[in-house]
Amino acid sequence: DAKTTQPTSMDCAEGRAANLPCNHSTISGNEYVYWYRQIHSQGPQYIIHGLKNNETNEMASLIITEDRKSSTLILPHATLRDTAVYYCIVRVGGNEKLTFGTGTRLTIIP
Amino acid sequence: EAGVTQFPSHSVIEKGQTVTLRCDPISGHDNLYWYRRVMGKEIKFLLHFVKESKQDESGMPNNRFLAERTGGTYSTLKVQPAELEDSGVYFCASSHPLPSYEQYFGPGTRLTVT
Repeated sequence: DAKTTQPTSMDCAEGRAANLPCNHSTISGNEYVYWYRQIHSQGPQYIIHGLKNNETNEMASLIITEDRKSSTLILPHATLRDTAVYYCIVRVGGNEKLTFGTGTRLTIIP
Repeated sequence: EAGVTQFPSHSVIEKGQTVTLRCDPISGHDNLYWYRRVMGKEIKFLLHFVKESKQDESGMPNNRFLAERTGGTYSTLKVQPAELEDSGVYFCASSHPLPSYEQYFGPGTRLTVT
């Protein structure tokens, strides 16, 4: 699976949009981009995933660049409960395991 | 629906003892996974079951670890004998049959080996 690069930490004001970047310059054509997060002391939680097109669900939006070498997770109106470590994971469809990196520690500031 | 459950939530054992962790996946989920985070490290994949069969056990660290999923329902992960470096949080996750994309994680079992 391709390796991803994320900033170590980010801060965002409560109520603002949180934009979390991820670089995956070696991604292959059949690899998806997944985002998970881990809130302190809980198990990881799935957020969203995509292949080529931008995706949106009730939690977040995923913007993937046209060359697919990077992506951005957007939490549109961050709340204090969004404080967590966010993991960008590149994974081949059908290859079931998740390879977690160090992620981005997002802190929402009141 | 009930989520993935893990038991116990915490376990403290001495080096050389045996510990068995249990995971109950979401009902109907054929895929079951074990991961762990040892102190200061990243979350690492251990193995993947499809029903009762081991699909991928490439992450199992050594033969002191034994995972089973008899009957394709709950799974157990036994560590025998436990070593200090086995301390960490063990997560279980489950997902629907293919095409699966979302793994639902349990709260984890915190294992401390003294």
